[in-house]
Amino acid sequence: NAGVTQTPKFRVLKTGQSMTLLCAQDMNHEYMYWYRQDPGMGLRLIHYSVGEGTTAKGEVPDGYNVSRLKKQNFLLGLESAAPSQTSVYFCASKRLAGTYNEQFFGPGTRLTVL
Amino acid sequence: AQSVSQHNHHVILSEAASLELGCNYSYGGTVNLFWYVQYPGQHLQLLLKYFSGDPLVKGIKGFEAEFIKSKFSFNLRKPSVQWSDTAEYFCAVSMDSSYKLIFGSGTRLLVRP
Repeated sequence: NAGVTQTPKFRVLKTGQSMTLLCAQDMNHEYMYWYRQDPGMGLRLIHYSVGEGTTAKGEVPDGYNVSRLKKQNFLLGLESAAPSQTSVYFCASKRLAGTYNEQFFGPGTRLTVL
Repeated sequence: AQSVSQHNHHVILSEAASLELGCNYSYGGTVNLFWYVQYPGQHLQLLLKYFSGDPLVKGIKGFEAEFIKSKFSFNLRKPSVQWSDTAEYFCAVSMDSSYKLIFGSGTRLLVRP
C-alpha cells in the first residue's frame, strides 16, 4: 500500500514551457486535491476533484488545469509556466464516507520555473 | 472570509521545554480541526484531529490539542519537546464538514539540543 505518490519529485522549467504532474493513490479515495506550498503562506488549494471525471477550482486555480480520468489518478498541468509558479506542489486524497475529513498527502514535487 | 491564523511563525525552544502553538479560525458554524506536521524534506503527516466529543484531543508523539469553541481556538501543546520535534506545524480547519481544508500559514519550530 503506497498511499499517495507523486511524480516527478523535482523539475526545472523555463518560462513558457509546459508540464504535467501526476498524482496517484491506491486507497480507493473519492476526493483528490492539488495544493501549492509557498513560504509563509501555508498550503493553498489549486484544484480538487470529488470523483472520477469531475474537477473544480480551488483558491488559486489560474495558470493550472487538471484532469481526473481515472479514480486513482489526478493530473495537474501547467500550459505555460511562469516564475510565479515556482513552488512545492502537494497532492492529497480523502475517502468519501463519513465526516472524517482527514486528507492523506503525497511527498511533494518541487518545481522551479526560470 | 473564512480563515485560519497561526500567530507564531517561528518558535525556538530548548529540549525539555514546553510547547504551545496557537491556532485560531474565523467561522461560527461546525468545524473539524487538524494539526499536521511536516518534518524537513518530508510530506505532511497528521498529528491529531478533532471532530466532536472531548475537546482535549491526544495525538501521536505526545502531542495534544484543546478545542475552545468560545475562543475559536485549537492550540497544540506538548509538555516536553525533543530535538526530533523540529518541523513545521500546520493547523487546518474544515468548515461544516466540507471536503476542503483551509490551512494556516504554519509555524516553524526549532528545538535546540
